[in-house]
Amino acid sequence: DGGITQSPKYLFRKEGQNVTLSCEQNLNHDAMYWYRQDPGQGLRLIYYSQIVNDFQKGDIAEGYSVSREKKESFPLTVTSAQKNPTAFYLCASSISIAGVPPRNTDTQYFGPGTRLTVL
Amino acid sequence: AQSVTQPDIHITVSEGASLELRCNYSYGATPYLFWYVQSPGQGLQLLLKYFSGDTLVQGIKGFEAEFKRSQSSFNLRKPSVHWSDAAEYFCAVAPSGYSTLTFGKGTMLLVSP
Repeated sequence: DGGITQSPKYLFRKEGQNVTLSCEQNLNHDAMYWYRQDPGQGLRLIYYSQIVNDFQKGDIAEGYSVSREKKESFPLTVTSAQKNPTAFYLCASSISIAGVPPRNTDTQYFGPGTRLTVL
Repeated sequence: AQSVTQPDIHITVSEGASLELRCNYSYGATPYLFWYVQSPGQGLQLLLKYFSGDTLVQGIKGFEAEFKRSQSSFNLRKPSVHWSDAAEYFCAVAPSGYSTLTFGKGTMLLVSP
């Protein structure tokens, strides 16, 4: 079955530690996205990538970093610079033509999410 | 910048009753509009989307939404709610030609027996 997988489902981190969240898709989508969800706040865009080896900051990129070395994978690192990292993190992907900004007619498909808790 | 408002944080509906969830957007042109549903601890699933054409859009699970340009609204409706519809619902908007979505803060639907 095609889809998006995120691991782990639950993640605990001590203050001051970096942690990496995994996102893998086998939908052959070019575009991938990371969102942060807090209770009552909806989803906010952290980073997105239109093509391998390229990515753009979203609305709340401070304290986060990403890489896009493979089309299927878009890992998110939550660094110690992120002051309030406890949240639910969602990865998404959409069809895109490589090298062209994604058309908004391409639906975003979401993974099951990772809940990060800082202890 | 575009914005999305979902005025109701929580809504409780009796099973079998009709449902309407409100969504208002702020954007100069006609944006692309979406409704997603999220079960507790899960990712988001697309219910329906509007890009152009017929302003009444049919989606999955018996949901529909109507785009009203004059009211800048895209309300979600279902004629008869089932207990399995209890979830959080998000409206999202994107300006045509761009890739990113702006989400509303969500409406939690509770279904009473």
